[in-house]
Amino acid sequence: EAQVTQNPRYLITVTGKKLTVTCSQNMNHEYMSWYRQDPGLGLRQIYYSMNVEVTDKGDVPEGYKVSRKEKRNFPLILESPSPNQTSLYFCASSHGTGSSYNSPLHFGNGTRLTVT
Amino acid sequence: EDQVTQSPEALRLQEGESSSLNCSYTVSGLRGLFWYRQDPGKGPEFLFTLYSAGEEKEKERLKATLTKKESFLHITAPKPEDSATYLCAVRVGGGATNKLIFGTGTLLAVQP
Repeated sequence: EAQVTQNPRYLITVTGKKLTVTCSQNMNHEYMSWYRQDPGLGLRQIYYSMNVEVTDKGDVPEGYKVSRKEKRNFPLILESPSPNQTSLYFCASSHGTGSSYNSPLHFGNGTRLTVT
Repeated sequence: EDQVTQSPEALRLQEGESSSLNCSYTVSGLRGLFWYRQDPGKGPEFLFTLYSAGEEKEKERLKATLTKKESFLHITAPKPEDSATYLCAVRVGGGATNKLIFGTGTLLAVQP
């Protein structure tokens, strides 16, 4: 089944304790992206990747890191989480090159992060 | 500044009561408008892409339309299973990125 898989689904942590949220897709998509979803603010892009070893900042990248060493994986790293990073996070992927750059995003089921 | 606004924020309908959701946008260079459905505890699920004014797309009880300033998602004779949050997003800018700017969504509740 074609899907984007995020882990964990729920995560509670404390300020400053490094964490990684994993994201994997099995659709051979070039483009992957991370969003956070907050009430009243909608989905906002954190980072995106056009292909392996190519990443770039979205609209709200502060406090986050990403890497794209393999095509299927795009982990989100919070080196020193803070309470304002408490949010619902979504990983998404799509075909993203050439004539297919307008293809729809496929989303994972989200990771709810709480930082105390 | 590129902006997407959805209205209403929430809508409650009786089963069979048709209505429309609105998505208005102010962007520099629309490269596509997308509609997604999001169920509680899940990620957004793609519904439609519209590219140019006058375009329409249909799927079951849903029909999406596009003008130069807004898009409508028409829901005809809705059923309780249509209850969800409906998100609108626009793709902007040049280059080969697939960045979307999302609205905050319309929470639809259809009562039997």
